[in-house]
Amino acid sequence: DAGVTQSPTHLIKTRGQQVTLRCSPKSGHDTVSWYQQALGQGPQFIFQYYEEEERQRGNFPDRFSGHQFPNYSSELNVNALLLGDSALYLCASSLGSGGYEQYFGPGTRLTVT
Amino acid sequence: AQSVSQHNHHVILSEAASLELGCNYSYGGTVNLFWYVQYPGQHLQLLLKYFSGDPLVKGIKGFEAEFIKSKFSFNLRKPSVQWSDTAEYFCAVIATGGFKTIFGAGTRLFVKA
Repeated sequence: DAGVTQSPTHLIKTRGQQVTLRCSPKSGHDTVSWYQQALGQGPQFIFQYYEEEERQRGNFPDRFSGHQFPNYSSELNVNALLLGDSALYLCASSLGSGGYEQYFGPGTRLTVT
Repeated sequence: AQSVSQHNHHVILSEAASLELGCNYSYGGTVNLFWYVQYPGQHLQLLLKYFSGDPLVKGIKGFEAEFIKSKFSFNLRKPSVQWSDTAEYFCAVIATGGFKTIFGAGTRLFVKA
């Protein structure tokens, strides 16, 4: 049973560039949440997707956007990268509208120079 | 706004010592509560959860947590730690019916063999 997978593992970008991160949920899961984890901090909720719609958004600017595909996989896009966007980006999947139990992927380490 | 506070950022214990990690949350309504653990080199994984019912919940690997509603607390305990419990522990809360999980900053536990 495949767990949550994320790609790429690591990424280095320059300020001002754009980046796309990808996530495949655990088999059977239909809800995907994205988190940003800065060094020494807990994960910060970016947004959650369910039925291809953004269901709730955390305190992140519009530079952060996402998408969920019919097969439940998801993308996180960040435009106009800032140095402060350097972090570990985590994807978590869960099941259903009340899916509170989340399964996390290994994360994508983004470095902005 | 919801928030989660973990009292200790770093804890060092000897094997067989007892463990208690503090967690307090700020939210006026009904919540679901979680402890997640991240072992070195591994993904975040669920340790235990509280949705309703018995406020004393048991998780994997001998961990338990007690929800005290009047104190807005959900402290994690283990009677006797092992070297393999060395990890980072995160407390998390989500409003019942909500979609946004709020994490604490985490507690790094190091168990000396």
